[in-house]
Amino acid sequence: AQSVTQLGSHVSVSEGALVLLRCNYSSSVPPYLFWYVQYPNQGLQLLLKYTSAATLVKGINGFEAEFKKSETSFHLTKPSAHMSDAAEYFCAVSASGGGADGLTFGKGTHLIIQP
Amino acid sequence: EADIYQTPRYLVIGTGKKITLECSQTMGHDKMYWYQQDPGMELHLIHYSYGVNSTEKGDLSSESTVSRIRTEHFPLTLESARPSHTSQYLCASSGRTIGNSPLHFGNGTRLTVT
Repeated sequence: AQSVTQLGSHVSVSEGALVLLRCNYSSSVPPYLFWYVQYPNQGLQLLLKYTSAATLVKGINGFEAEFKKSETSFHLTKPSAHMSDAAEYFCAVSASGGGADGLTFGKGTHLIIQP
Repeated sequence: EADIYQTPRYLVIGTGKKITLECSQTMGHDKMYWYQQDPGMELHLIHYSYGVNSTEKGDLSSESTVSRIRTEHFPLTLESARPSHTSQYLCASSGRTIGNSPLHFGNGTRLTVT
């Protein structure tokens, strides 16, 4: 069985500060890992994904994430927060990378940007 | 610009009513999904389809039903709405594998049953 744990249901940072959203996973096989973002009143959109290529993955809007197998982590970072980054962020894991019926989402982290 | 469309965006309805939430996509994706989303909780897959005339139940038990008569259309129906059905419902579609192509989500339908 696979699972995802996102530490912190709410994270607050100042504009211009580093953003760090934590995600730990469990999977019996090498996983596919994803970060999705949900802006208010919208659906989710893909930020970035890890599919067993480079361990440092760059995504849209200046976000990146590093796959660390030894720590079973896939934390999301951005060097400098912008007000437009305020949103809900979801980490997700898939053992097979096949259909989304095999995709498990975390509970989400609400990112708050302080002016 | 959305490639996957959900209607209505908001719906308030009384207990016992039959409702259908519409979802259409223009990308020609074979795979389509319905998720239920509640605040502070993970998304739960309630139904999915891998093609026309193919539907399966997801990991969260749901009293809703779905149909897939056309590739682009994947409606969800509640025969008799109850307050416990109050939630946000998200429709999504994908290409052959999520490893190679992302899930595309609609903007959701927020359902309130009074």
